[in-house]
Amino acid sequence: DVKVTQSSRYLVKRTGEKVFLECVQDMDHENMFWYRQDPGLGLRLIYFSYDVKMKEKGDIPEGYSVSREKKERFSLILESASTNQTSMYLCASRSDRNTGELFFGEGSRLTVL
Amino acid sequence: GQNIDQPTEMTATEGAIVQINCTYQTSGFNGLFWYQQHAGEAPTFLSYNVLDGLEEKGRFSSFLSRSKGYSYLLLKELQMKDSASYLCASPGRSGYSTLTFGKGTMLLVSP
Repeated sequence: DVKVTQSSRYLVKRTGEKVFLECVQDMDHENMFWYRQDPGLGLRLIYFSYDVKMKEKGDIPEGYSVSREKKERFSLILESASTNQTSMYLCASRSDRNTGELFFGEGSRLTVL
Repeated sequence: GQNIDQPTEMTATEGAIVQINCTYQTSGFNGLFWYQQHAGEAPTFLSYNVLDGLEEKGRFSSFLSRSKGYSYLLLKELQMKDSASYLCASPGRSGYSTLTFGKGTMLLVSP
């Protein structure tokens, strides 16, 4: 089974802090994604990566950056956390060989005070 | 990305049948996905339709009409464990690069 693992289920940070959210997948998937999920807004794409060291902006990249130094790992970085970044963050991966199905991690709930 | 619309919430009783609708803009269409998400958990894949018609998978079926920009998820013999959010999603114009999700339909199944 595909496993997508996010490093932290729950984090509490202060405004202005730098935040790292880590995601690792064990199925050699080429594509990895970071979404945030908020009530009433659904899942929104922040960034995605289709290869090592490659990254593309999603729908809401402002205030975020990403890093993909290894194929299995995709990190989301909040350089200076703000309260409006309090959210559930979901990492996902996908193989180029399938129909587009995404495999999600369990999510990281970030609270910025 | 695609504009995807689905109802915010629905209620149904155990043993019943429920249909959750989804409409999307038809330009650059590359298939339609349904995911299930239980509270506090990650979304999990339910179905993928790229051709018109009904695809059945046990108690769950998914229908697609490409000309109408319309899909539905049909859940039969509802069980309490089917209470969850159901997310409709479609790839963007560039193909499978990304999925754009609807806001989800929260289904509550009561005894």
